[in-house]
Amino acid sequence: ETGVTQTPRHLVMGMTNKKSLKCEQHLGHNAMYWYKQSAKKPLELMFVYSLEERVENNSVPSRFSPECPNSSHLFLHLHTLQPEDSALYLCASSQADRNTEAFFGQGTRLTVV
Amino acid sequence: AQSVTQLDSQVPVFEEAPVELRCNYSSSVSVYLFWYVQYPNQGLQLLLKYLSGSTLVKGINGFEAEFNKSQTSFHLRKPSVHISDTAEYFCAVSRTSGTYKYIFGTGTRLKVLA
Repeated sequence: ETGVTQTPRHLVMGMTNKKSLKCEQHLGHNAMYWYKQSAKKPLELMFVYSLEERVENNSVPSRFSPECPNSSHLFLHLHTLQPEDSALYLCASSQADRNTEAFFGQGTRLTVV
Repeated sequence: AQSVTQLDSQVPVFEEAPVELRCNYSSSVSVYLFWYVQYPNQGLQLLLKYLSGSTLVKGINGFEAEFNKSQTSFHLRKPSVHISDTAEYFCAVSRTSGTYKYIFGTGTRLKVLA
């Protein structure tokens, strides 16, 4: 596999469920990102990991919990979400020391019911 | 802090006509500039990027963009569009150093009409 892979592609969960989104990159990058894309809003940067350390947390509610066990994998753990959290969640990676373009996965379409 | 403005939320254009999608940015530090395209239910794909050097950059699918530092703009152009170019286009900036994060505009929906 090449590029950035996100699983699952679609997820429907109740407000009391706990689920996790997974992202894996095969590009040898050392920085990974979570973005939230809601209708008619700009892409919102949620978290940034560089060299497996969280370097950015954009005031994201604690019901979203990221985890970066190594430079190739990134998770977003979800619990007690709200309907307004329904969105497309995009993972991206880049090479931190070169800071050029980010490569994106295809996203997970999350629906909270 | 950096910010990106894409003034046009939707741009309809007839097939084989030229198109320009506008992007303006604001930053107190040096930035890199990018254009991404997103097809329905897909992630973002890089069209082109400006890092340094020539202000006219060429990308995939016949797109090009020109960096204008004095006007803080990075407009995207294509001389002749196809139906398959119908998609959402995003302009983005990132700092050239420090914490690496990519700031996006709100996107422009390009609709190519037959």
